[in-house]
This record gives sequence, C-alpha cells and structure tokens, in this order.
Amino acid sequence: EVQLVESGGGLVKPGGSLRLSCAASGFTFSSYSMNWVRQAPGKGLEWVSFISSSSSYIYYADAVKGRFTISRDNAKNSLYMQMNSLRAEDTAVYYCAATVAGHDYWGQGTLVTASS
Amino acid sequence: QLVLTQSPSTSASLGASVKLTCTLSSGHSSYAIAWHQQQPEKGPRFLMMFNSDGSHNKGDGIPDRFSGSSSGAERYLTISSLQSEDEADYYCQTWDTGIWVFGGGTKLTVL
Repeated sequence: EVQLVESGGGLVKPGGSLRLSCAASGFTFSSYSMNWVRQAPGKGLEWVSFISSSSSYIYYADAVKGRFTISRDNAKNSLYMQMNSLRAEDTAVYYCAATVAGHDYWGQGTLVTASS
Repeated sequence: QLVLTQSPSTSASLGASVKLTCTLSSGHSSYAIAWHQQQPEKGPRFLMMFNSDGSHNKGDGIPDRFSGSSSGAERYLTISSLQSEDEADYYCQTWDTGIWVFGGGTKLTVL
C-alpha cells in the first residue's frame, strides 16, 4: 500500500524558515517523480514544485521560485521542501503527492502558518 | 498557457446523477487529466486518470458510480446514484513537463 506521510509544519513568523518532510512507503520511491501541492485556507489546490526520480529535473511555481527548495533522499525514501523567506500568503496545508503506475497518491498534509 | 476551467458549484439530489465538466485551454485538447475528490476537512483523494482516447485508471476502491468521459477539450466526471458522502469539492488536474495544473474546483452539494 502506497503511503505518504508529511511532517514539519508549524507556526513561523513572516521571513522565517521551515523544512517539510514526506516519508514514502509501499512503492519504489527512487523510480518516481514527486510533487508538493498546497491549499490555502478556503482556497483550491495549488501546485508548488516537482522533482524527478533522480533529482535531474526540478520545477517551481512562480509564487515560490527563489524561496523554496525541493530535494529528495532516495536512500531514505524521503522528500523535502526547504521554505525560506516565508510570507503570510504561504499559509496553507502542504501535501506531497506522487504518480505511481498511473495512479496519483496524496499524503494527509501538514499545516504551515506564517503569521506574527 | 495550459489552463483548466471548472464551474465553481453545482447541486443534485440524493440518488440522482451529476456530470461535472473540466475544460482544457485552447491547443491542449489532447491532454490527459486526473480527477480528485476532497471531502470537507479531508485531504484530496485520487478518483481517476482519464485520457482523451477514453482509457482510464481508477483509484483504489473507487466505486463504479464514478465514471469519466470526454468530448474535444472537455473532460467529464459523472457520478451516478449520488450519496451524501459524494458532497465534496472536485478538482481536475493535468500536467506538462513536470508542472501540474489544477482547475479551480467544483463544489458539489447533494440535496
């Protein structure tokens, strides 16, 4: 069974930093690309970042480019998002997501709140 | 620019059928899409991946009441025999060179 478990969310002051993690299991993590998707309170889903299986290709949404850094450790079956210079508008639930064999899988999400 | 357009809301009666629409932007009518369901206060759940040729992959445990279809640039999600637990937000999603694109979502109210 594919499982994705996010952690690392919390309350941070604007301008601060946070590192999210996503622990993957139930599939060959090193063979699949991964994504981060976020959802601000009361809003729709917003794609944040993509990383290919070997980290060769990385893409970001314009809203986070230059502030967020996606990475992965295939030996640890883990995905990460380093978030710097956080803004109030980054407040959201952050989900990691994967497409495995034509099926999308989602984690349960972790809440990031950027507020003073 | 790759854009997905969904109606903000719709409603249907318990036991009835409803058809949700997702429209691909001009020049992207051959793209595959995925449908996701998000029940109140829960995370998204993958329903199905749907290709323009009609082939599809359903998510684990998704009942036969959920089906997909397409016509040109439009992709449809039909839910039959509506149940109260089908009341949720439904998002279509596509991708291009690693970038995911979501529609704005349709809020389905079951009357």
